[in-house]
Amino acid sequence: KNEVEQSPQNLTAQEGEFITINCSYSVGISALHWLQQHPGGGIVSLFMLSSGKKKHGRLIATINIQEKHSSLHITASHPRDSAVYICAAIMEYGNILVFGAGTILRVKS
Amino acid sequence: NAGVTQTPKFQVLKTGQSMTLQCAQDMNHEYMSWYRQDPGMGLRLIHYSVGAGITDQGEVPNGYNVSRSTTEDFPLRLLSAAPSQTSVYFCASSPLIWAGELFFGEGSRLTVL
Repeated sequence: KNEVEQSPQNLTAQEGEFITINCSYSVGISALHWLQQHPGGGIVSLFMLSSGKKKHGRLIATINIQEKHSSLHITASHPRDSAVYICAAIMEYGNILVFGAGTILRVKS
Repeated sequence: NAGVTQTPKFQVLKTGQSMTLQCAQDMNHEYMSWYRQDPGMGLRLIHYSVGAGITDQGEVPNGYNVSRSTTEDFPLRLLSAAPSQTSVYFCASSPLIWAGELFFGEGSRLTVL
């Protein structure tokens, strides 16, 4: 079992819908990254958080370290949001990142 | 700033050949790392470094070597390529792993025949 699990694996939404992607982990972590990978393959960092909530534009990320869960929300989704979203946990025990398998999001117009 | 520069973008090797994937960053980041991405498995850590002269193994280090002689450069060496090393490789850097944004290179697609 992977230490970092994401759900759903695939998600199709209509433009304008509110989207939630979940990330749970089974070990202690110090912080968590949310990343976006576009169809061309490039990976960009969206958020790094260790507690509470962060917001950037239409993207919101939340984390509860004790409950071992983080969520990424997209409000008013748009076709340009179509991408793979990846969570990556920074392990408490070292300088190591463990990644979820990713959520493939497709937003239809 | 160029960010993280990875070369080459594409490479085809025969089994047993060796090669080096180059990674350079111009942001004075201490943390650098190499990952491989395989279908359905997500990114997996190969090796990482927390500063010049310091390297350590990640989740899947076998068949790969790294060195960090300068803050800027973190090359990944395949000593004797195997078909199982066919993958997309990403280099990433960060000021410190627990602090700050991760910056990724554009990726290198390697095929081993």
